[in-house]
Amino acid sequence: DAKTTQPTSMDCAEGRAANLPCNHSTISGNEYVYWYRQIHSQGPQYIIHGLKNNETNEMASLIITEDRKSSTLILPHATLRDTAVYYCIVRVGMSRNYGQNFVFGPGTRLSVLP
Amino acid sequence: DGGITQSPKYLFRKEGQNVTLSCEQNLNHDAMYWYRQDPGQGLRLIYYSQIVNDFQKGDIAEGYSVSREKKESFPLTVTSAQKNPTAFYLCASSIPPSGRSSYNEQFFGPGTRLTVL
Repeated sequence: DAKTTQPTSMDCAEGRAANLPCNHSTISGNEYVYWYRQIHSQGPQYIIHGLKNNETNEMASLIITEDRKSSTLILPHATLRDTAVYYCIVRVGMSRNYGQNFVFGPGTRLSVLP
Repeated sequence: DGGITQSPKYLFRKEGQNVTLSCEQNLNHDAMYWYRQDPGQGLRLIYYSQIVNDFQKGDIAEGYSVSREKKESFPLTVTSAQKNPTAFYLCASSIPPSGRSSYNEQFFGPGTRLTVL
């Protein structure tokens, strides 16, 4: 699976949009971009995933560049409860060995400030 | 409600003892996983199982063992051979990606924090 790089930490004011970047310059054509988040001492929570089109759900939006070498997770109106570590993961979408394919790096620690 | 449960939430163990962490899911998922997380680090895969009675080593399987006798259960044993067992352990499950869908969301349990005294 392609490696990802994310900033170690970011701050965001409550009510403003939080934009979390992720670089995945070695992503291959059949790899998807997944985002998870982990609130302190809890299990990670799935947020969103995409291949090449921008995606939106009730939690967030995912913007993937045309060359797919980077993406941005957008939380449109950050709240204090969005304070967490956010993980960007790229993995093959369809694989017999899918169990090996989620690699969580250190992620970005987002702090939403009042 | 459907979900994944892990017990206990906190576990203390004396050095040299084996300990088993429980993971149960009622989501009817075929695949289950065990991860380890150290402070300030990402998750690392210990073992995974795609189907009952089958499991595979992940990146850091040494010192751990698992079993998958039932679809709902995937217990992890931390043996005395594990050199540094103090960590946060997370269990997850997922549906295998189907022929048309890439979707392979992993659902995580609340975790067990193991401390070796």
